[in-house]
Amino acid sequence: AQSVAQPEDQVNVAEGNPLTVKCTYSVSGNPYLFWYVQYPNRGLQFLLKYITGDNLVKGSYGFEAEFNKSQTSFHLKKPSALVSDSALYFCASRNTGGFKTIFGAGTRLFVKA
Amino acid sequence: EAQVTQNPRYLITVTGKKLTVTCSQNMNHEYMSWYRQDPGLGLRQIYYSMNVEVTDKGDVPEGYKVSRKEKRNFPLILESPSPNQTSLYFCASSRTGGDTDTQYFGPGTRLTVL
Repeated sequence: AQSVAQPEDQVNVAEGNPLTVKCTYSVSGNPYLFWYVQYPNRGLQFLLKYITGDNLVKGSYGFEAEFNKSQTSFHLKKPSALVSDSALYFCASRNTGGFKTIFGAGTRLFVKA
Repeated sequence: EAQVTQNPRYLITVTGKKLTVTCSQNMNHEYMSWYRQDPGLGLRQIYYSMNVEVTDKGDVPEGYKVSRKEKRNFPLILESPSPNQTSLYFCASSRTGGDTDTQYFGPGTRLTVL
């Protein structure tokens, strides 16, 4: 069965430090992986996605993610965190054929000034 | 402005009283979907629609109905709401149902069933 796991409920980092939000996946067929961010009282916003090709994907707001097939991971990263990055982050996968989407449980990121 | 809208944004109701949450998109997207968000569970897919008059169940369809009579609208119907349907609901759309397509989300509807 297809699944997406985000092993950390919460990540705390200091402003200016690098951040990583972890995601691992288990899918059949080709993995199509997404990161979304949810700010308080808002809907989800798309950050980036991996479809094929380069394992390092660059997205919005300076975020990037590294696809690692051998470790079945798709960790979200940013070299220098901002307080405004504090939000809830979701990793997601669409199955081959595309109609269903599986989300991870979400990771809350706190960036302290 | 390209967007997905949902109404109402907040709703408090009582067990058994039928309700409808509307969803509309102005991007001419073929694919639309409903999710519920619960703490610790992330988003779970309720129903999705690949096009007008074509719908299918997601992972948690029990207690919900949908219809897709027009391309832009995808209402979620709770015919007899129960307290376990208290949740935050999101509608989303994408250009197609393709596995590489990005979804665009509405602002959410917070439903409380007493």
